[in-house]
Amino acid sequence: EVQVVESGGGLVQPGGSLRLSCGGSGFTLSRYWMTWVRQAPGQGLEWVANINQDGSERHYGGSVKGRFTISRDNAKNSVYLQMNSLRAEDTAVYYCARAIYNTDCNWGQGTLVTVSS
Amino acid sequence: QSVLTQPPSVSATPGQKVTISCSGSISNIGHNDVSWYQQFPGTAPKLLIYDNDKRPSGIPDRFSGSKSGTSATLGINGLQTGDEADYYCGTWEDNLSAGVFGGGTKLTVL
Repeated sequence: EVQVVESGGGLVQPGGSLRLSCGGSGFTLSRYWMTWVRQAPGQGLEWVANINQDGSERHYGGSVKGRFTISRDNAKNSVYLQMNSLRAEDTAVYYCARAIYNTDCNWGQGTLVTVSS
Repeated sequence: QSVLTQPPSVSATPGQKVTISCSGSISNIGHNDVSWYQQFPGTAPKLLIYDNDKRPSGIPDRFSGSKSGTSATLGINGLQTGDEADYYCGTWEDNLSAGVFGGGTKLTVL
């Protein structure tokens, strides 16, 4: 069974850092673009970042560019989101998704990040 | 403000058909394929439509998608109470080199 599982969420103070991890099982993660999407409480979906199969191409949403870094370790079947200089408005459930624009699309259950003092 | 514009809410009665629009521009919908996602409260989104009008396996043919110019539409036939959810369109935005979503549409089945 294909599964995408996020981890690493939690409570962090404004200005702090956090690294989210996304693991894949039941499939070879190295074959897919991977994407992070977030959803603030009561709000809609916001595209955060994506990374291509070998990590040579990365793209970021405007609100996180320069603060967040997406990376991957295909040997560990994992994708990461390093989040620095966190702000209250970064508070959201963060979803990791495989191939969000095609039939192989699969989303994780999400991990909650709360930025608060 | 979302790059893609969706109506905040739509409603219909069981058995009816409903359509949800997604309006964009040349640099997003006009030049790229559109996907649609369904999300129930407290759960992850699920892909309903990709490449404008294709359904992943397991998605009933009650769900359909279309695209014309800089707009896309999700159609749901034979509405069921279990279709009550939030629906999002998504695509690539060339000017931003980033993905974008619509603001979401809450479907109520009366």
